[in-house]
Amino acid sequence: GAGVSQSPSNKVTEKGKDVELRCDPISGHTALYWYRQSLGQGLEFLIYFQGNSAPDKSGLPSDRFSAERTGGSVSTLTIQRTQQEDSAVYLCASSLDSGARRETQYFGPGTRLLVL
Amino acid sequence: AQKITQTQPGMFVQEKEAVTLDCTYDTSDPSYGLFWYKQPSSGEMIFLIYQGSYDQQNATEGRYSLNFQKARKSANLVISASQLGDSAMYFCAMRRRGNQFYFGTGTSLTVIP
Repeated sequence: GAGVSQSPSNKVTEKGKDVELRCDPISGHTALYWYRQSLGQGLEFLIYFQGNSAPDKSGLPSDRFSAERTGGSVSTLTIQRTQQEDSAVYLCASSLDSGARRETQYFGPGTRLLVL
Repeated sequence: AQKITQTQPGMFVQEKEAVTLDCTYDTSDPSYGLFWYKQPSSGEMIFLIYQGSYDQQNATEGRYSLNFQKARKSANLVISASQLGDSAMYFCAMRRRGNQFYFGTGTSLTVIP
């Protein structure tokens, strides 16, 4: 399939450890988004990459969170010194970013992060 | 400030009946897009329907339609002839300039046989 893929699908870590979450967008999609979904909550925007422009990091909750996108394709979200409140599902989405308002995002299956 | 509001945390509907899921939004931008997504228990987010702020007619996609009332800033999703497979979380989202999406807290829909 040519959908958005994320890895790992599940991650259990200990408080204080660093974790890396990976997102592989749909080929040709220049826009990439990271969201966090806590249990029973909506999606919280984290960061947005658009082509070669500087990313919109306005949603990152603290400086423990960072993300990069290499070669305009794969993205990695890194959480340093994880805390229990970081436990959530981390969703990645991509879109063509053609400029059309009706352009939707396509979501990956998410990474379920549990911090013990 | 909350940009997307979904006031119904949970809804029940009888199979084959229609159901309306509410969504109100807040923006001063003249150009925006409104989206509805379905999230089944498996977790994937599925795009359902789109409504543009300049669209004159309400959007329809099969059994889904969007009741767009611009003056009231509401974009309610109507699902006709509910099916058991419609049981899921439903999220309303708004896309503003800058391509950032804002999501509501969702409505959990349960279809009763």
